[in-house]
Amino acid sequence: QVQLQQSGAELVKPGSSVKISCKASGYTFTSYDMHWIKQQPGNGLEWIGWIYPGNGNTKYNQKFNGKATLTADKSSSTAYMQLSSLTSEDSAVYFCARGYYSSRGWYFDFWGPGTMVTVSS
Amino acid sequence: DVQMTQSPSYLAASPGESVSISCKASKSISNNLAWYQEKPGKANKLLIHSGSTLQSGTPSRFSGSGSGTDFTLTIRSLEFEDFAVYYCQQYNEYPLTFGSGTKLEIK
Repeated sequence: QVQLQQSGAELVKPGSSVKISCKASGYTFTSYDMHWIKQQPGNGLEWIGWIYPGNGNTKYNQKFNGKATLTADKSSSTAYMQLSSLTSEDSAVYFCARGYYSSRGWYFDFWGPGTMVTVSS
Repeated sequence: DVQMTQSPSYLAASPGESVSISCKASKSISNNLAWYQEKPGKANKLLIHSGSTLQSGTPSRFSGSGSGTDFTLTIRSLEFEDFAVYYCQQYNEYPLTFGSGTKLEIK
């Protein structure tokens, strides 16, 4: 069965970077886009972008250009998201989710459990 | 960006009742809409895509309707396991956007 296993919670200092991971299993990792989604209390869900592990292609929400960098390691079926120049606004839960392309875009048929990132000095 | 407006934000109902949740898009998104269920300690679950197509494993008491800008998620004969938060998401254009969520609570 499809599973997305995310790395553990992070406590990081303002101005630093953090890299979180999402290990996929139960399907062919290189055949589906992996998306990342941000959730802040009271702010709902925000789509960050996707990476296609098959060729490394990426697409970002303009809002997260320069903030998030998506990569993938085919050998370990793991997707990564690095967040840079962290501020309190980056404190959130971050989800990876497998994208399923339909008609015009992607919906998400499997989600990871989320990784909480807390930015604090 | 396409704004997705969900209502109500909170909904209280009893097991056995039926409820409906609305999701309105700021412009036409055809039927490119999905619904998700969020429960504590569990991964988010895709319930419906393409506006009204039940994802494999979604109970038949769930249904989705609508096209264009107005969409509805209906849950008939609520069961205890249905009390959760529900989100809609449009995938008609970039950036992909979500509704703000509806928390369904037990009355």
